[in-house]
Amino acid sequence: GAVVSQHPSWVICKSGTSVKIECRSLDFQATTMFWYRQFPKQSLMLMATSNEGSKATYEQGVEKDKFLINHASLTLSTLTVTSAHPEDSSFYICSAPSPTNTEAFFGQGTRLTVV
Amino acid sequence: AQSVSQHNHHVILSEAASLELGCNYSYGGTVNLFWYVQYPGQHLQLLLKYFSGDPLVKGIKGFEAEFIKSKFSFNLRKPSVQWSDTAEYFCAVTLSGGYQKVTFGTGTKLQVIP
Repeated sequence: GAVVSQHPSWVICKSGTSVKIECRSLDFQATTMFWYRQFPKQSLMLMATSNEGSKATYEQGVEKDKFLINHASLTLSTLTVTSAHPEDSSFYICSAPSPTNTEAFFGQGTRLTVV
Repeated sequence: AQSVSQHNHHVILSEAASLELGCNYSYGGTVNLFWYVQYPGQHLQLLLKYFSGDPLVKGIKGFEAEFIKSKFSFNLRKPSVQWSDTAEYFCAVTLSGGYQKVTFGTGTKLQVIP
């Protein structure tokens, strides 16, 4: 079946640095991808919708200048956490709708720890 | 906006015990309902989904869920759990009429003791 691959699975970075997370659809094209964040003991929360060839759409309260999203091709979306701070430490996960638009496929997630 | 609540954060069961995980959603319109599972170190995987039709849906690995519209519920069940069912389970909803944003519940960690 369709697979979404996310890389890296985990990353540790220093405060003030930037981290890029990649999300690839491996055997299908996705004009739209979604980025979620999960804090401990909380639900997965949608951060933004990544649109191929156009600007991402951010959910209320999500800083677009801090969480840069680039959807440069039909199989790749990237999330860059800029000037990371410890409070950005979280679990980030991407998804892409199936070609039939009836379900979502998820990446394995990225555990970000900012020290 | 829609929301999803899962009543149990952590469930511990012995093998062969029956499982029921609660899920309620709040939204006045038509929704699509999902249960996802995440095994340790693995992707979120779709267990089952309800779009329309028979409110009792069967998924993979012996799981089933029943949509009760009057109760806004979509509880997940399995008659006899196995150690391999140890995972985190997420209930989720999207608005009917097209796949868009997924709203998740907080998840339930299931631990099955051999």
